[in-house]
Amino acid sequence: GENVEQHPSTLSVQEGDSAVIKCTYSDSASNYFPWYKQELGKGPQLIIDIRSNVGEKKDQRIAVTLNKTAKHFSLHITETQPEDSAVYFCAASIRRETSGSRLTFGEGTQLTVNP
Amino acid sequence: GAGVSQSPRYKVAKRGQDVALRCDPISGHVSLFWYQQALGQGPEFLTYFQNEAQLDKSGLPSDRFFAERPEGSVSTLKIQRTQQEDSAVYLCASSLRGGRANYGYTFGSGTRLTVV
Repeated sequence: GENVEQHPSTLSVQEGDSAVIKCTYSDSASNYFPWYKQELGKGPQLIIDIRSNVGEKKDQRIAVTLNKTAKHFSLHITETQPEDSAVYFCAASIRRETSGSRLTFGEGTQLTVNP
Repeated sequence: GAGVSQSPRYKVAKRGQDVALRCDPISGHVSLFWYQQALGQGPEFLTYFQNEAQLDKSGLPSDRFFAERPEGSVSTLKIQRTQQEDSAVYLCASSLRGGRANYGYTFGSGTRLTVV
């Protein structure tokens, strides 16, 4: 089955700096790659996603890049703010008729933005 | 409702007890998923429903786990004879569409199950 690895497990940055989180996946058939932000005591919240026919996507301070050849994708957060502090998860899925968008998640990155 | 609602938020069960966890998805959402999240880990897939049909249950860890969605809306995850390794947060998510058009889950806040 699919395996997703995520690095680093913890990341501490100063407010205003950029943060980068990287993930690799094993199944070349994967075609959908969302990123989730999880705050303490809450469920994961989708922040951005990318499909395999696109190499890069940006939404304000957040961007995601995908390299299908290397089977890795990355989350970039610019101008970080203290409220960006949370656990971030990458995920991958193979979209099938019967399984919808079953996701395989990475292990998570605890991002801390210091004021 | 405005979001995915799960109840109870916390559940403490004695080993061997049966538990039932409830999920109220966003109204009209076709797809419903259950995930298990151990402490410090990413969520792991348990099962998937498209309306009332359980199309994928390959992630259920044992036959002690059972899920249903009889009318295509509310879903219940039942765990029989709970064991300590069942302690985790159980997350429910729903999505508007089904099948290959299914994008963009909305997760609930989860039920934290502690088996003592």
